[in-house]
This record gives sequence, C-alpha cells and structure tokens, in this order.
Amino acid sequence: ETGVTQSPTHLIKTRGQQVTLRCSSQSGHNTVSWYQQALGQGPQFIFQYYREEENGRGNFPPRFSGLQFPNYSSELNVNALELDDSALYLCASSFDRYEQYFGPGTRLTVT
Amino acid sequence: RKEVEQDPGPFNVPEGATVAFNCTYSNSASQSFFWYRQDCRKEPKLLMSVYSSGNEDGRFTAQLNRASQYISLLIRDSKLSDSATYLCVVFLKTSYDKVIFGPGTSLSVIP
Repeated sequence: ETGVTQSPTHLIKTRGQQVTLRCSSQSGHNTVSWYQQALGQGPQFIFQYYREEENGRGNFPPRFSGLQFPNYSSELNVNALELDDSALYLCASSFDRYEQYFGPGTRLTVT
Repeated sequence: RKEVEQDPGPFNVPEGATVAFNCTYSNSASQSFFWYRQDCRKEPKLLMSVYSSGNEDGRFTAQLNRASQYISLLIRDSKLSDSATYLCVVFLKTSYDKVIFGPGTSLSVIP
C-alpha cells in the first residue's frame, strides 16, 4: 500500500454536470499529480501541484482544474462533463516531484 | 511521432524466459525515467527508476541510452506473477513539469 487514498472509488454523472475528485497524498510528500486513464491506454498527465502551486499541465482543457491544500491533499474538478471524460482518474504523490506513488483511482462514468 | 513509444506487444513468454521491453522518447530534454507495472484494473506501481549508469533490482535490469533516447527493461527468469502491463515513464522537470506515460506493453507469462 502506498498511503495515497482517493475518493470516491466510483462515480456516475450525467453529461454537463460537474464533478470533484479528492486525493490524500502519502505522508511526507509535497507533490500531487493527476492522470486520466482510458481503457487500454497509458495514463495521460492532466496536471501537477507542487507546494500548492500548479507547476505542470498536460493537454487538457481549462474545464479540468485543481487545487492543492496546505496539507498537500488535492482536488480535481471537471466542469461540463462530456461522455469522453469517462475514465479512471489516478492521483499520484511524490516528494519534490520525483518518484510517484499512485492511489487506487476513481472510476468516473458519464452518461 | 508520439512523445513516448513502447513495443506494441503483447508478449507471451513461458515461465523462466528472459524478456526485454524497449521504450523510446522524443524530447532530448527529458530528465527522469521510470518503469511502472500495472495489473488489470489496478493502479500503476513503481517498478524501478532508471539511471544513466543502468541499474538492477533482483531479476529486473533497466538501461538508459540518452544518445539514442531509449530505455529498456530486462526481466530474467520470468514468473507467472510478472504478468502485467509495463509502462515506460518520462519526466520533463523544468519550471513547468510534464510527465509522459507510454502506452504500455502487455506481458503474459505462461506456465
């Protein structure tokens, strides 16, 4: 077990709705990254937070946003959900942006 | 050209075999490299970091060739429990980070 937790484990939303996913990082870690993984593909980097600031972003539109809190836990918010947003959302934590340890993921289904 | 490419697979090998995976990356500014394994419907787990001098962890050996921009993973004496998808990861660590996962290579070790 990595000590990285995510909630909820599963979620079903309707197209157009908004969703918030949560992640608690491993003790001692100050960096959190979020990924989207569609079936049969590798994880796609959404963004990264380092000491409460966004310091990295992949090719995702602005409706994907996030936050990191002083205790280094994090949220991923997705607005105006689309069917293609259905995927496994993974959170990973690390110390100083190095080796990443993943949580179990949140499986989001958009109908 | 994709930023990170891996052998397409799947690889089906008998127990005890030696198997090698290759990964190429396109950005010469890439700084850190990792191999992760992912079991079906589970989160990726860090297998090993890849260092310039090459490194070994038990039956696993990772190599990095910066000049040719490729990374390799060698698994010796394959076990049934090695069956998983192996993901190559490249980290661009600048003022604005980017983490790129390869699509993964599937390995099945057959009794």
